[in-house]
Amino acid sequence: AQKITQTQPGMFVQEKEAVTLDCTYDTSDPSYGLFWYKQPSSGEMIFLIYQGSYDQQNATEGRYSLNFQKARKSANLVISASQLGDSAMYFCAMREPRFYYGGSQGNLIFGKGTKLSVKP
Amino acid sequence: GAVVSQHPSRVICKSGTSVKIECRSLDFQATTMFWYRQFPKQSLMLMATSNEGSKATYEQGVEKDKFLINHASLTLSTLTVTSAHPEDSSFYICSANWGPNTEAFFGQGTRLTVV
Repeated sequence: AQKITQTQPGMFVQEKEAVTLDCTYDTSDPSYGLFWYKQPSSGEMIFLIYQGSYDQQNATEGRYSLNFQKARKSANLVISASQLGDSAMYFCAMREPRFYYGGSQGNLIFGKGTKLSVKP
Repeated sequence: GAVVSQHPSRVICKSGTSVKIECRSLDFQATTMFWYRQFPKQSLMLMATSNEGSKATYEQGVEKDKFLINHASLTLSTLTVTSAHPEDSSFYICSANWGPNTEAFFGQGTRLTVV
């Protein structure tokens, strides 16, 4: 079963408008982290925002906010005031604890991604 | 912020040769680094976890003899694709965390083409 589900293969948004990218996740672990990354055509992975499972408030980073609904296991990314430079692939990812040397530095599990296109 | 540097960014090699990709954490020590593979228009799939001073942990289906990982120091992990074949052509990208509940920092990625 997929651990991270992104149901929107592609999205279009008009410049300066807000857009929501969907992400649902599946885990039985009470401790986990949720991430959003942006991948432009160059291939680099750019970190956008992080939400911990115990965080009480939704994370925000500039124009990015994460709509975290724990009971529904959803972690949607909201981009406000879209810009042309926001056109890229967006990946939702989850980290479950995997313990190495007594620490918890697990790998990320990625969704299939959503390709966002911002129209002028 | 923390920086992870990956080199080379692009490589073209002939079938049967080996290619080494380096992943360095520039301003922090990474006891664990991760190697991912990404096919065109697909997501990132974890290949292996690189542990400093010990053997790498490979995901199911990943050939450890083909994808050799060495994590000789706290700032460097290398992935060597041995006896490369055209089907190994892909985008390989590494990541490292500087702490347990922090974002993963990614290298720039390496686009490997085997001809």
